[in-house]
Amino acid sequence: AQKITQTQPGMFVQEKEAVTLDCTYDTSDPSYGLFWYKQPSSGEMIFLIYQGSYDQQNATEGRYSLNFQKARKSANLVISASQLGDSAMYFCAMREGNGNQFYFGTGTSLTVIP
Amino acid sequence: DVKVTQSSRYLVKRTGEKVFLECVQDMDHENMFWYRQDPGLGLRLIYFSYDVKMKEKGDIPEGYSVSREKKERFSLILESASTNQTSMYLCASRFFLAGVADTQYFGPGTRLTVL
Repeated sequence: AQKITQTQPGMFVQEKEAVTLDCTYDTSDPSYGLFWYKQPSSGEMIFLIYQGSYDQQNATEGRYSLNFQKARKSANLVISASQLGDSAMYFCAMREGNGNQFYFGTGTSLTVIP
Repeated sequence: DVKVTQSSRYLVKRTGEKVFLECVQDMDHENMFWYRQDPGLGLRLIYFSYDVKMKEKGDIPEGYSVSREKKERFSLILESASTNQTSMYLCASRFFLAGVADTQYFGPGTRLTVL
């Protein structure tokens, strides 16, 4: 079974609107971490946001927030007030336990339309 | 500023050649990683290292080996390159503080073509 599933290969959003990128995960470990990364066309992977499995509150970093629904095993990324520079590939990832094994999804391509 | 550098952005090699990809981080991180990225497959972990001379296999270690002689440097070695190893290779180092932060910093990537 896939550890991380991103079901939206491509998404479009109007500039200044909010967009949600979906991510579901699969683990039986009670301790895990969830991450989102952005990869612009230049290729560099940029860390956006992190959520620990025991964190009570949803993580937020500026315009990025992670909608963590533990029972549904869902970790959606919400980008508010989209900007043209947000056009990129977005990857969801999970770390099981506190080790170094990370699993990445296949990514969602986001295009922001002026 | 955090920095992870990789020895080449683009590399073209012939089948059967031995290939070295080098990665250097300047953040004194203990954990370093090598991934390969292929369209439609996301990133897949090849190897990681949690200390000097310490390494563990990831999901797809076959055909690869690694070396970590110094804390700041993590090398990926393709012993005998094959065409199915044509890919983008990404190195990362990890900052981890339990309960506080967990961040991987990535290098710019090396696009390897094996002919």
